[in-house]
Amino acid sequence: KAGVTQTPRYLIKTRGQQVTLSCSPISGHRSVSWYQQTPGQGLQFLFEYFSETQRNKGNFPGRFSGRQFSNSRSEMNVSTLELGDSALYLCVSSWGGMNTEAFFGQGTRLTVV
Amino acid sequence: DAKTTQPPSMDCAEGRAANLPCNHSTISGNEYVYWYRQIHSQGPQYIIHGLKNNETNEMASLIITEDRKSSTLILPHATLRDTAVYYCIVRVRFGNTPLVFGKGTRLSVIA
Repeated sequence: KAGVTQTPRYLIKTRGQQVTLSCSPISGHRSVSWYQQTPGQGLQFLFEYFSETQRNKGNFPGRFSGRQFSNSRSEMNVSTLELGDSALYLCVSSWGGMNTEAFFGQGTRLTVV
Repeated sequence: DAKTTQPPSMDCAEGRAANLPCNHSTISGNEYVYWYRQIHSQGPQYIIHGLKNNETNEMASLIITEDRKSSTLILPHATLRDTAVYYCIVRVRFGNTPLVFGKGTRLSVIA
């Protein structure tokens, strides 16, 4: 079966712009989580969506937001981009939540210039 | 914060067993030990998990001490493709808690 699909794979944006990243989970999975990975901070949890509702949220500013659609696809948005937002953004798919087997996508590499 | 302690790096000769240790001295009775790995520029990949018994699958074996305060992930015959960062994570099996990653161990398999 198809894995977790993230688009785009690479993105370059200018400081102050906003960006939307997309994630299609594995078919049948209802939970989508997002992580940010940077060399300095490592992997950090952003938020989790389950059946279109945000169920968990990490410690990130309100510029980071997300949503989930009825088909379980998810998007995350970052507004007013800062240089420090440059990172690999990873989407995680699981059927019942992160305590069930979690499958990571390949990530979107965002560079803010 | 991560509840685990791992060495920052390890080397292993190709074809030999790679033994990656993890300390989790504050683990609770309902918390499992999970292992993930991340090959360069890819998303983390699930390897194995366990509660208190030793576990084995096609990728690796997990040995958990009797007091559950530490564990070892064993890759029985390491290959160059096993070069990656390995993360040991403790978390409850049921509920809605996110995976909390520490810095992991960077394993280098050397030819």
